[in-house]
Amino acid sequence: ELKVEQNPLFLSMQEGKNYTIYCNYSTTSDRLYWYRQDPGKSLESLFVLLSNGAVKQEGRLMASLDTKARLSTLHITAAVHDLSATYFCAVGAHYGGSQGNLIFGKGTKLSVKP
Amino acid sequence: DTAVSQTPKYLVTQMGNDKSIKCEQNLGHDTMYWYKQDSKKFLKIMFSYNNKELIINETVPNRFSPKSPDKAHLNLHINSLELGDSAVYFCASSPPGRGLGADTQYFGPGTRLTVL
Repeated sequence: ELKVEQNPLFLSMQEGKNYTIYCNYSTTSDRLYWYRQDPGKSLESLFVLLSNGAVKQEGRLMASLDTKARLSTLHITAAVHDLSATYFCAVGAHYGGSQGNLIFGKGTKLSVKP
Repeated sequence: DTAVSQTPKYLVTQMGNDKSIKCEQNLGHDTMYWYKQDSKKFLKIMFSYNNKELIINETVPNRFSPKSPDKAHLNLHINSLELGDSAVYFCASSPPGRGLGADTQYFGPGTRLTVL
């Protein structure tokens, strides 16, 4: 059974600081996603990582994937208040075809303080 | 130009009632999903439909039944509602095929269900 673990679950940062969120998963997968959820809102897709060594960057966020270590990281550079949200990683589970559901981590609630 | 829409946004009902949540996507996607997000924000897949056929049915009580009249719609019917059903239910859809972004799931705004 595929399990996805994120840490930390809660992260309080000061503006301008850097930090990394980690996502470990238990079985082989070739699809990893990062989503953002603001309070009371839906999930917004941030990154799709499909191969070992993949690195994607958007603004102050950078995501990477190491399929051998079954690890993805979401790095935050020089945090700003607008980044405050809950961040989920999700790993694709295979069900005998290309389509499959996502197994989500428990989410990391990020709070950026001035 | 809403991509994935759900109705209603809020649903408050009594235990034992039967209710439905509707989902529609105008993205031309082949696969649609229902997720449940509990009070601790944990997201769990409930159902997945591909071209109107159920392809994944996780361990969900029989009281929950997805119905897909066409590939743009996936409705969720819930019978005999229980207190533990209170959660936010998200519908999502994804495009066919593989490749960059092929399996990205696009989420609806969610339906907050409260069972009293």
